[in-house]
Amino acid sequence: QVQLQESGPGLVKASQTLSLTCSVSGDSISSGAHCWSWVRQHPGKGLEWIGCIYHSGSTDYNPSLKSRLTISVDASENHFSLKLSSVTAADTAVYYCAREERNGYNSIFDYWGQGTLVNVSS
Amino acid sequence: SYELTQPPSVSVSPGQTARITCSGDELPKQYVYWYQQKPGQAPVLVIYKDKERPSGIPERFSGSSSGATVTLTISGVQPGDEADYHCQSSDSNGTPVFGGGTKLTVL
Repeated sequence: QVQLQESGPGLVKASQTLSLTCSVSGDSISSGAHCWSWVRQHPGKGLEWIGCIYHSGSTDYNPSLKSRLTISVDASENHFSLKLSSVTAADTAVYYCAREERNGYNSIFDYWGQGTLVNVSS
Repeated sequence: SYELTQPPSVSVSPGQTARITCSGDELPKQYVYWYQQKPGQAPVLVIYKDKERPSGIPERFSGSSSGATVTLTISGVQPGDEADYHCQSSDSNGTPVFGGGTKLTVL
């Protein structure tokens, strides 16, 4: 059974960098079959895809966040990470990591972490 | 930017049929995926490629498409189906996009 688990600070000060890690079990990032993704959900709102990374380190980012975003991977540790810089209150959200299967222009998110709430304080 | 439009809420009585729509200009060319999200939980895939059902998902859940609108249908709605439902597709560049979500209330 594939499992993903997010970890990181639940509180970040405005203007600083939000950092989260997703640990994967039951699958190997090195298998290369998937893009490992971050998705967030603002309180009471819909889901927003943030970006994803392949085992090779190749990334795909949401254009709206690209200038502040870095996603990295450590295949040897079977985890991947998110860094979002210069955060504001608008970045307060539940952050999920997910396994994304891509086929051409189609993406499917078949396994998700439980999510972690990150509050940005002023 | 590309948007998928869902109704904010749908309400049905137990045993009735719920229909949740998702509209977007690219939908005639892209598949739609549906996720169920219960309070405090992660989303769970319930329909993929417009109408396919993952293993373990009850047959009560079905999907259909017509032009720029895709519909998730839940037949014989049960109280346990009360949740938020999110559609997801991709824009013309392949960037994943989610709808705003629909809250299904079982009266």
